[in-house]
Amino acid sequence: KAGVTQTPRYLIKTRGQQVTLSCSPISGHRSVSWYQQTPGQGLQFLFEYFSETQRNKGNFPGRFSGRQFSNSRSEMNVSTLELGDSALYLCASSLAQRPYEQYFGPGTRLTVT
Amino acid sequence: GEDVEQSLFLSVREGDSSVINCTYTDSSSTYLYWYKQEPGAGLQLLTYIFSNMDMKQDQRLTVLLNKKDKHLSLRIADTQTGDSAIYFCAESGSSASKIIFGSGTRLSIRP
Repeated sequence: KAGVTQTPRYLIKTRGQQVTLSCSPISGHRSVSWYQQTPGQGLQFLFEYFSETQRNKGNFPGRFSGRQFSNSRSEMNVSTLELGDSALYLCASSLAQRPYEQYFGPGTRLTVT
Repeated sequence: GEDVEQSLFLSVREGDSSVINCTYTDSSSTYLYWYKQEPGAGLQLLTYIFSNMDMKQDQRLTVLLNKKDKHLSLRIADTQTGDSAIYFCAESGSSASKIIFGSGTRLSIRP
């Protein structure tokens, strides 16, 4: 079974631009979660989607948004990029049933200049 | 609120046992997890424990849970160079689908 894939793997953007990251979950997984990983803040939960609906949200500004499609693929968007948005963005998929094991993709490394 | 704490670094000699500790605050956590992250990679789920268990063993890994003290530990027996990585403790928190991660413990292996 193929793992979680994320595209692109690396991205360089300029302040003020917007960016869209993509995540394809493991086949059969209906839940997709997004995390931001930085050296200073560690792993922070952004949001979780299940059956095309946002089910949980972390403490991030409205510039961070996401969506999920009917095939469970998910995208996250960051508008008006700031230098502090530079991070590794990780996507994880799960069956959304106990014990809620999450399987992570390799991440997208976003650098904002 | 929900919080998970870990020490940042651990250094052990190859062949010894490694013990990585974690404390959490949410007493309603139903599952607690250990993840491993190698350089340049995403997180890999190593093991998990249900909150009504005290211990879980899986090959070289032993997880101990002290629910009263909200303390979780991961023991890696016969630590090898391939075990060098960052280890994250995580809890399911008040919402089982929202996982809260600790800051990670970087494990380094001495020859």
